[in-house]
Amino acid sequence: NAGVTQTPKFQVLKTGQSMTLQCAQDMNHNSMYWYRQDPGMGLRLIYYSASEGTTDKGEVPNGYNVSRLNKREFSLRLESAAPSQTSVYFCASSELVTASLYEQYFGPGTRLTVT
Amino acid sequence: QQQVKQSPQSLIVQKGGISIINCAYENTAFDYFPWYQQFPGKGPALLIAIRPDVSEKKEGRFTISFNKSAKQFSLHIMDSQPGDSATYFCAASRDFGNEKLTFGTGTRLTIIP
Repeated sequence: NAGVTQTPKFQVLKTGQSMTLQCAQDMNHNSMYWYRQDPGMGLRLIYYSASEGTTDKGEVPNGYNVSRLNKREFSLRLESAAPSQTSVYFCASSELVTASLYEQYFGPGTRLTVT
Repeated sequence: QQQVKQSPQSLIVQKGGISIINCAYENTAFDYFPWYQQFPGKGPALLIAIRPDVSEKKEGRFTISFNKSAKQFSLHIMDSQPGDSATYFCAASRDFGNEKLTFGTGTRLTIIP
């Protein structure tokens, strides 16, 4: 049981380049998320998927697109990278544990630098 | 707009002491308040969570205190240990089960011997 896996771990892009961040979970969770983490800003939700085939914008969706390929996989695409997208990106999935607790499980993150 | 305000930004506590981190929220529709712990180079992990029908929840050395009227909640770490050194994030969501969390800005906790 690997939990939530992300690839790549590190990436350097030039302004204007595109790339896709991959995420997969093996816990059979319906909900998946993409966050970005910046110093002093906490984690901010980029996109959310409640189930296969559905996606919803979060707090900071501009400049990103997502695909929920199947129940396991949720990818994040940067079509034209900008220096403002330099960040650490986390994918997560979640489950309802009890009637008063649900838990998000985070991947190890992708550190992206845009020059 | 910062809907969940967290303080302090950093905190140094002696081993064995009590660490206290505070959060305040604005949206009265929030009804779920988890705390996440993050070690360097890792993703956050759920530490403890509370819903507004109770004023306190305790799990081992970790306690959440919740004040609905003041729209504040806090994390208390009793008998703080060097292994507790990490960044802590409070969070909130509305409509329990919605699962879209709004995070605070984080507190870097350092426990010194």
